[in-house]
Amino acid sequence: SQQGEEDPQALSIQEGENATMNCSYKTSINNLQWYRQNSGRGLVHLILIRSNEREKHSGRLRVTLDTSKKSSSLLITASRAADTASYFCATDISGGYQKVTFGTGTKLQVIP
Amino acid sequence: EPEVTQTPSHQVTQMGQEVILRCVPISNHLYFYWYRQILGQKVEFLVSFYNNEISEKSEIFDDQFSVERPDGSNFTLKIRSTKLEDSAMYFCASSDARSDNTEAFFGQGTRLTVV
Repeated sequence: SQQGEEDPQALSIQEGENATMNCSYKTSINNLQWYRQNSGRGLVHLILIRSNEREKHSGRLRVTLDTSKKSSSLLITASRAADTASYFCATDISGGYQKVTFGTGTKLQVIP
Repeated sequence: EPEVTQTPSHQVTQMGQEVILRCVPISNHLYFYWYRQILGQKVEFLVSFYNNEISEKSEIFDDQFSVERPDGSNFTLKIRSTKLEDSAMYFCASSDARSDNTEAFFGQGTRLTVV
């Protein structure tokens, strides 16, 4: 079973619309992080939410965490073509060593 | 803005050859990591390194792999005898977990192609 699974696997929206991606995980976590990866490039850290937090904002990003349901969501508001990328959730269960476990990712396409 | 740098960006090697992937973590970070991503698959944890020793490793990180911090700035991943299935993007990351923030900063990756 996968520790992190994002859905949908792929999402296509028009520029200006909001994009919502979800992540579910199996075990208790210390924190959950969202990363972006442009095609063939490195991983860019977007936001970290700790297990005792329920919601966090960063610019156009809003992340929620529901530890009772073991799920998180990433909302990108007013999307732009430059937001086109794959988005991964990553869970840290190791308590500081950053052995994050990545999900399978959501491929977001924002159409101009 | 500080960043993790990896070299080379792309390496092609023959099966059975040794390769060394290099990383320069962010200078004040104490924790270092290697991940890999086989084309089209998820990012997988390989190893974490702290205080000059491996703190955790995955089942992927077998005897073919080793890591080293040969000096104060570089962090290397060595694959002793490459196999075709080692072809992947390898990411180095570092973090400063002394603070409460365990955010990891990733490099741009080295694409390893084993032929």
